[in-house]
Amino acid sequence: GAGVSQSPSNKVTEKGKDVELRCDPISGHTALYWYRQSLGQGLEFLIYFQGNSAPDKSGLPSDRFSAERTGGSVSTLTIQRTQQEDSAVYLCASSLGAGNEQYFGPGTRLTVT
Amino acid sequence: GQQVMQIPQYQHVQEGEDFTTYCNSSTTLSNIQWYKQRPGGHPVFLIQLVKSGEVKKQKRLTFQFGEAKKNSSLHITATQTTDVGTYFCAEKISSGSARQLTFGSGTQLTVLP
Repeated sequence: GAGVSQSPSNKVTEKGKDVELRCDPISGHTALYWYRQSLGQGLEFLIYFQGNSAPDKSGLPSDRFSAERTGGSVSTLTIQRTQQEDSAVYLCASSLGAGNEQYFGPGTRLTVT
Repeated sequence: GQQVMQIPQYQHVQEGEDFTTYCNSSTTLSNIQWYKQRPGGHPVFLIQLVKSGEVKKQKRLTFQFGEAKKNSSLHITATQTTDVGTYFCAEKISSGSARQLTFGSGTQLTVLP
């Protein structure tokens, strides 16, 4: 079956512009995670969705970052007024439930110029 | 809060040498997962350990979970160039965060031919 997909694969944007990153999780996976990974660094947790529960937003670095998950499936991560320090690979992962093994998408490489 | 210590941060080995990475937690874990991320790729699930003192093998990889369920190790015997990548542990604590999984900082393995 299809794995986790993300789009776009690459995004170059000018400082100050807004961007939207999309994640399509594996069908049936109730848990969805967003992470940020800078070059050569670890995984920085951003936000977590589990079913219909309120999302865990504790990792969002500022109020410029937001995410939503519609219908318990597709998720969109939005970054407003992008800054150069937002440049990174944004990874989405899904799992059957909280704490289960996570399946990662290929990521979106965001470059803010 | 939960601390996820993973050491070493970097490891360079000659092909054929062994390699070990360690994860240590300040709290008792429910389980621990290991992931591998190839250069330019995304993290891929390797294994999950649940029981105290558990040892699992995958070909040249040996995974251990400590008796106290506070630490874990991944050992690779006779490394090959295909082992290159970053190895992450992901810890699930027995109680607390709804997110439940916290990733370690990773160990970046370089195998010299």
